[in-house]
Amino acid sequence: KAGVTQTPRYLIKTRGQQVTLSCSPISGHRSVSWYQQTPGQGLQFLFEYFSETQRNKGNFPGRFSGRQFSNSRSEMNVSTLELGDSALYLCASSFGVQETQYFGPGTRLLVL
Amino acid sequence: DQQVKQNSPSLSVQEGRISILNCDYTNSMFDYFLWYKKYPAEGPTFLISISSIKDKNEDGRFTVFLNKSAKHLSLHIVPSQPGDSAVYFCAASGPYSGGGADGLTFGKGTHLIIQP
Repeated sequence: KAGVTQTPRYLIKTRGQQVTLSCSPISGHRSVSWYQQTPGQGLQFLFEYFSETQRNKGNFPGRFSGRQFSNSRSEMNVSTLELGDSALYLCASSFGVQETQYFGPGTRLLVL
Repeated sequence: DQQVKQNSPSLSVQEGRISILNCDYTNSMFDYFLWYKKYPAEGPTFLISISSIKDKNEDGRFTVFLNKSAKHLSLHIVPSQPGDSAVYFCAASGPYSGGGADGLTFGKGTHLIIQP
């Protein structure tokens, strides 16, 4: 069974631009969560989607948004990029909520 | 305020010996705990988990211990192997945990180095 895939793997943007990251969960998994990893803050929860609905959201500004499609694939969008948004963005999927999450390789975003 | 703390940024252990990684948490609402292993340029890989109704869970060379009264958990790796060298993250979840009801709250990780 294929694991969680994320595209693109690397991305360079400039301040003020917006970016969309994509995540394909493990086949059969319906829950997708997104995390941001930075050296200073570690891994922080962004939001979780289940059956196309956002179930939970972490403590991030409204510039960070996401959505989930009927095939469980998910996208996250960051608008008006700031230098501090440079990070590794990780997607994780699970069969259902409150079940073990399996992570993708991440998308490394660099904002210049 | 860090709700999940891994106070040792790094740990060096000889091959064949026991590796003990520690994690403390402050939120008494956490009821599910996990350990993930991460290599550079890869996403975290799930290792082992434990529910708050248990105090020990074993899976091969990996054992997780949970002490609820002390709000402390530890991961034991016996025997340690060179391939175990990685960053280990402790994570917790639970209702009203601040990471979302089902979002994980992570510690900042411990870099385990297995020396030959």
